Amino acid sequence: DSGVTQTPKHLITATGQRVTLRCSPRSGDLSVYWYQQSLDQGLQFLIQYYNGEERAKGNILERFSAQQFPDLHSELNLSSLELGDSALYFCASSGGGSTEAFFGQGTRLTVV
Amino acid sequence: AQKITQTQPGMFVQEKEAVTLDCTYDTSDPSYGLFWYKQPSSGEMIFLIYQGSYDQQNATEGRYSLNFQKARKSANLVISASQLGDSAMYFCAMSRAGGTSYGKLTFGQGTILTVHP
Repeated sequence: DSGVTQTPKHLITATGQRVTLRCSPRSGDLSVYWYQQSLDQGLQFLIQYYNGEERAKGNILERFSAQQFPDLHSELNLSSLELGDSALYFCASSGGGSTEAFFGQGTRLTVV
Repeated sequence: AQKITQTQPGMFVQEKEAVTLDCTYDTSDPSYGLFWYKQPSSGEMIFLIYQGSYDQQNATEGRYSLNFQKARKSANLVISASQLGDSAMYFCAMSRAGGTSYGKLTFGQGTILTVHP
């Protein structure tokens, strides 16, 4: 168990809808990272938050947004969903001077 | 920009034998970290091993070792005494070094390892 919790584990929704993925980082970790894993794009970094503030942005679509709350949990919001957004979405956290990031179990999103 | 290349889409190994998974990288960052993660069929990403670009010695973690050749820009993973439970997808990744940069990872395409009994 990595200590990073993601909910829900599975999500099936229709095109055009909006969903929210939730992540609770390991205790004490201030950084949260979101990744998307799809068959055609592989594993891609989306966005990073550090202690409530956006720190780095990767290949995140404008239809996607994220935030980190005062209790350090983070949410990734995906809107106007398309079939191509179907993927495994990972949250990872790091902190305390450690070099490695620890990943949650992922949320498998299926858009139908 | 950083780039990771894993040229072996699939590898097979006999149980109890050693196997090397290849990884080459490219970066303009003077200081960086190299990582290997394992993804079993259940989907989770499991951290295996880390190597800093300025570390003099190759990293080892139990049965995993990282063969780091800086001049060749390679960071191969060696798994000794393979076990059936090692069957999984393996990803090589890199990041800038320092502070909160370590979790901002660039991943390779992965290598599927199958361990035969």
